Amino acid sequence: DVVLTQSPATLSVTPGERISLSCRASESVDTYLHWYQQKPNESPRLLIKYASQSISGIPSRFSGSGSGTDFTLSINGVELEDLSIYYCQQGNSLPTFGAGTKLELK
Amino acid sequence: EVQLVESGGGLVQPGRSMKLSCAASGFTFSNYGMAWVRQAPTKGLEWVATISYDGSSTYYRDSVKGRFTISRDNAKSTLYLQMNSLRSEDTATYYCTRTYYSSSPFAYWGQGTLVTVSS
Repeated sequence: DVVLTQSPATLSVTPGERISLSCRASESVDTYLHWYQQKPNESPRLLIKYASQSISGIPSRFSGSGSGTDFTLSINGVELEDLSIYYCQQGNSLPTFGAGTKLELK
Repeated sequence: EVQLVESGGGLVQPGRSMKLSCAASGFTFSNYGMAWVRQAPTKGLEWVATISYDGSSTYYRDSVKGRFTISRDNAKSTLYLQMNSLRSEDTATYYCTRTYYSSSPFAYWGQGTLVTVSS
């Protein structure tokens, strides 16, 4: 199985700052890497697909980059509503998820 | 609007069976692959099983292979997960998701149904 390692596990943020979350794969997944946001007591929702492709209805402050084994989710100007857990998921082989990065208020 | 509504969860004893259903609407169900993803209490997301648009191909994680069966009824726009020989480690919220190819993201999620395996 492809192991996805997300870092940091928790990130303390201040509204307005630009942040980056990392997802590293144990082997190349090309660009078959997707990002999800899960707010407390809600279902996950898709944020970014295929490493960098935007999703309709998702605010433009969210962006993704990377290929192969190293990927980044960036939030340009964090808002309070972004305090959530973020998961990466690979689809190059049987799907696996990272353990998640939790955004909390500093 | 895409809607996925799960049902069938609840409390079940170890070793027993349970069948989950997911009623889909707002899209042409027979055009899409579907999958189940679960989340144990306070834990992360874990893919369980995927079925192709026509039901001809199915995929499972190793820990449920031989115990769980994913199926679909395209005439009823409904996805199923038959779970046999349930274990305490199967306790989780089970989400129905819409996908496409095996490499595709899980684009839409239901609200989830909680399965608790306990004596």
